[in-house]
Amino acid sequence: EIVMTQSPATLSVSPGERATLSCRASQSIGSNLAWYQQKVGQAPRLLIYGASTRATDIPARFSGSGSGTEFTLTISSLQSEDFVVYYCQQYKIWPPFTFGPGTKVDFK
Amino acid sequence: EVQLVQSGAEVKESGESLKISCKTSGYSFTTYWIGWVRQMPGKGLECVGIIYPGDSDTRYSPSFQGQVTISVDKSISTAYLQWSSLKASDTAMYYCARLGRTLYQLPPGNWGQGTLVTVSS
Repeated sequence: EIVMTQSPATLSVSPGERATLSCRASQSIGSNLAWYQQKVGQAPRLLIYGASTRATDIPARFSGSGSGTEFTLTISSLQSEDFVVYYCQQYKIWPPFTFGPGTKVDFK
Repeated sequence: EVQLVQSGAEVKESGESLKISCKTSGYSFTTYWIGWVRQMPGKGLECVGIIYPGDSDTRYSPSFQGQVTISVDKSISTAYLQWSSLKASDTAMYYCARLGRTLYQLPPGNWGQGTLVTVSS
């Protein structure tokens, strides 16, 4: 099973600042990496797939990069609604399609 | 518009059986993989398993193999997740989600609203 790790566990930033979230896979997954945003009480929302392709209707301030084992989600200028939890997931190898433990972005 | 609508919250006792549903619309049900994801209270996301409705090819995460059953009813474009004997540790929110046409093509992109399962001991 591929193990996904995310860092940091909590990221404290101010509105308008840039946020950089990291995700690492225990073995190479090419570009089969997705990022999700989850607000409290809601289902996850797909932000990025293929490591760098924004999903439908996702604002341009969200961008993804990386390949192999190291990946990054960047939020260029944090809006108030962005202060929630973010998960990465690999979909290269089954079983299973593993998620990272999440990064919570909160107010500095 | 792609939609996945899940059945309502359930409260059960340990040892009871349960089947929750995920009704889909807005796309060809038989040509996309569907998956189930568990989220225990205050915790992260875990893949339960996936199914290809076209031929009912079903794959389970090792942690859930033998613990749940995933199935579909093609006639009503609906996927199911069921337990034969619930445990308190099954208490969680369960989401269904649509993946790609092939297994490694796309991650879960469209999600149901979630079904909260509460099991009392």
